[in-house]
Amino acid sequence: GEDVEQSLFLSVREGDSSVINCTYTDSSSTYLYWYKQEPGAGLQLLTYIFSNMDMKQDQRLTVLLNKKDKHLSLRIADTQTGDSAIYFCAETIRGANDYKLSFGAGTTVTVRA
Amino acid sequence: DGGITQSPKYLFRKEGQNVTLSCEQNLNHDAMYWYRQDPGQGLRLIYYSQIVNDFQKGDIAEGYSVSREKKESFPLTVTSAQKNPTAFYLCASRIPGQGNEQFFGPGTRLTVL
Repeated sequence: GEDVEQSLFLSVREGDSSVINCTYTDSSSTYLYWYKQEPGAGLQLLTYIFSNMDMKQDQRLTVLLNKKDKHLSLRIADTQTGDSAIYFCAETIRGANDYKLSFGAGTTVTVRA
Repeated sequence: DGGITQSPKYLFRKEGQNVTLSCEQNLNHDAMYWYRQDPGQGLRLIYYSQIVNDFQKGDIAEGYSVSREKKESFPLTVTSAQKNPTAFYLCASRIPGQGNEQFFGPGTRLTVL
């Protein structure tokens, strides 16, 4: 099955950590991604994690992967006003000869002063 | 600079008219994708193409058509058969190699009056 779920909204105070959660269903997914979308713009890849990893850290971003529970999270440390955006989780759906992505509905993160 | 160009950014059409959305990339990527984004929903795959002169239907292909005559170009036509065409349309190409991540254009917002 191809069904990625995320909570729709998150409000966080500036300077605090944000944690965005995602669950996915395809246990054969090789890569899982986090994308960021600012208003009226396309999607920007933030980071991705390979399915044989548990954690990946990239500056203020930390991705945790629990394959057993099919749970992915994105932690943003020291959240800034520029982090206000929609964040999408996506999993790889691999066919015989192609790669597709299945996206969650997106989590709207609002950073308040 | 390499990237994906989508034009125009905003497009208005009368109901019953076909309209073609442009997507051009100079990244030398083989695979290209078209998505539709509606508020509160994730991205839904319309069509994708793994290579020139070949394309496949995605999850919501009805009422849309595509062509892939050149590697750089993957135009999407929204036909009058599409019952609810007003949406934000995103084009992407896939980066071959390790992460297989997709790189997105800035999007076209289509409004049908």
